[in-house]
Amino acid sequence: KAGVTQTPRYLIKTRGQQVTLSCSPISGHRSVSWYQQTPGQGLQFLFEYFSETQRNKGNFPGRFSGRQFSNSRSEMNVSTLELGDSALYLCASSFADSYGYTFGSGTRLTVV
Amino acid sequence: DQQVKQNSPSLSVQEGRISILNCDYTNSMFDYFLWYKKYPAEGPTFLISISSIKDKNEDGRFTVFLNKSAKHLSLHIVPSQPGDSAVYFCAAISNFGNEKLTFGTGTRLTIIP
Repeated sequence: KAGVTQTPRYLIKTRGQQVTLSCSPISGHRSVSWYQQTPGQGLQFLFEYFSETQRNKGNFPGRFSGRQFSNSRSEMNVSTLELGDSALYLCASSFADSYGYTFGSGTRLTVV
Repeated sequence: DQQVKQNSPSLSVQEGRISILNCDYTNSMFDYFLWYKKYPAEGPTFLISISSIKDKNEDGRFTVFLNKSAKHLSLHIVPSQPGDSAVYFCAAISNFGNEKLTFGTGTRLTIIP
C-alpha cells in the first residue's frame, strides 16, 4: 500500500513569503500530525488533525497553521516566513488511537 | 522545555559490538515509549517500542530497556551493523490528557566497519 506522501520534497522561499505543504496519509489513517525537524532540536510537534479537527497543537506561533480535508489529506501553511523556519517538515499518519505512526519523507523548506 | 532528552548527539561504535543509545524523560505521565530510526532524506521509521508496564522488550538485534524510577530508557543494538548508521530518535506518549508523540533531539549513530 502507498505510504505517507508529502509534496513538494524541496522548496525555497524568501523571507516574508508564505508556503503551503501537503500531506496525503496512508489510506484509512484518519490522524495526521506535523513535525518540524531542525538540527539540535529534534522533532518538534506542530499540530495534529483528526477527522478534520485540530486535536492537538504544539508551541509554535500563529504563523503556522494547518487543516485537514474530508479525505484525511492535510496541509500546513506558514505565513510571513522567517529564516528560522528553514527545516525539514515531516507529516505522520496513524489510525485513530494508535501509536503506529508512519512518517512521510518530509518537505525540506529553505528560507532565504 | 525538553521533556524527552537524548544527551548524546552522536555515537560511534565498531561493527559487531554493542550500541547503546540512551534517553531520559521528565514527564511521569508518559506511559509508552518508541524508538525511531532516520536515514538522511527519509522520514523516521518505527523501530521498537515499550509500554510502561514492562521493563524490557526485544526484537531481534534490538532491545529496549525501561527504568521507570529513573525515567530512563535505552536501546541496545547487538551486534551493530553498518546499516545501523542513522539518527535514532526516542519518543514518548501519554495515554492521559493531550496525546502527542514527543521526540528527543536524536543521536547520530555511526558504525565503523
